[in-house]
Amino acid sequence: DTAVSQTPKYLVTQMGNDKSIKCEQNLGHDTMYWYKQDSKKFLKIMFSYNNKELIINETVPNRFSPKSPDKAHLNLHINSLELGDSAVYFCASSLTMGGGQGKQYFGPGTRLTVT
Amino acid sequence: DQQVKQNSPSLSVQEGRISILNCDYTNSMFDYFLWYKKYPAEGPTFLISISSIKDKNEDGRFTVFLNKSAKHLSLHIVPSQPGDSAVYFCGVNSGYALNFGKGTSLLVTP
Repeated sequence: DTAVSQTPKYLVTQMGNDKSIKCEQNLGHDTMYWYKQDSKKFLKIMFSYNNKELIINETVPNRFSPKSPDKAHLNLHINSLELGDSAVYFCASSLTMGGGQGKQYFGPGTRLTVT
Repeated sequence: DQQVKQNSPSLSVQEGRISILNCDYTNSMFDYFLWYKKYPAEGPTFLISISSIKDKNEDGRFTVFLNKSAKHLSLHIVPSQPGDSAVYFCGVNSGYALNFGKGTSLLVTP
């Protein structure tokens, strides 16, 4: 059973479109995250959610809107996609905020390509 | 600003030898320092962490060393195996999320 799953795995779309990436965790964790790995391979936090509440928004454009319908799901909706949004997006979860000793569980990633 | 820096983008080591991956950080306030491993087309996986009050933590072939005065973290893998070939991310736990370095790609050759 996959602990943290994301759909879709690949997403190719044109500039200006709106798209969503879904994330689900079956670990019973309270905290979920979205990370972005850009073309330079930096892996950066975008959002942190704890018990369905937004805790951190790391200077992400407001075209990105996370939504947590319940503790097991954290979806990422992106409006008016731009070329610079092309990246791999990782969802993650942890038992506690930050992950205690730093242990978070990552999904397999969604590779978004904007043309 | 980058709180965690990995200055070596790649490292090649022979099977059986020691692999040493290095990391520097800027802020001394973090409670935990950690290493994640990432294979292509997969998400990062937790490898090992160390509390800021310790200077060494071991888990099997993996040992992490923390030098607080130098603000330096290193990961030792002994002996290195071909299956260890991956990208290794050094990171810190800010309490809200993880902040990672740019990663070091390790290649272990037979």
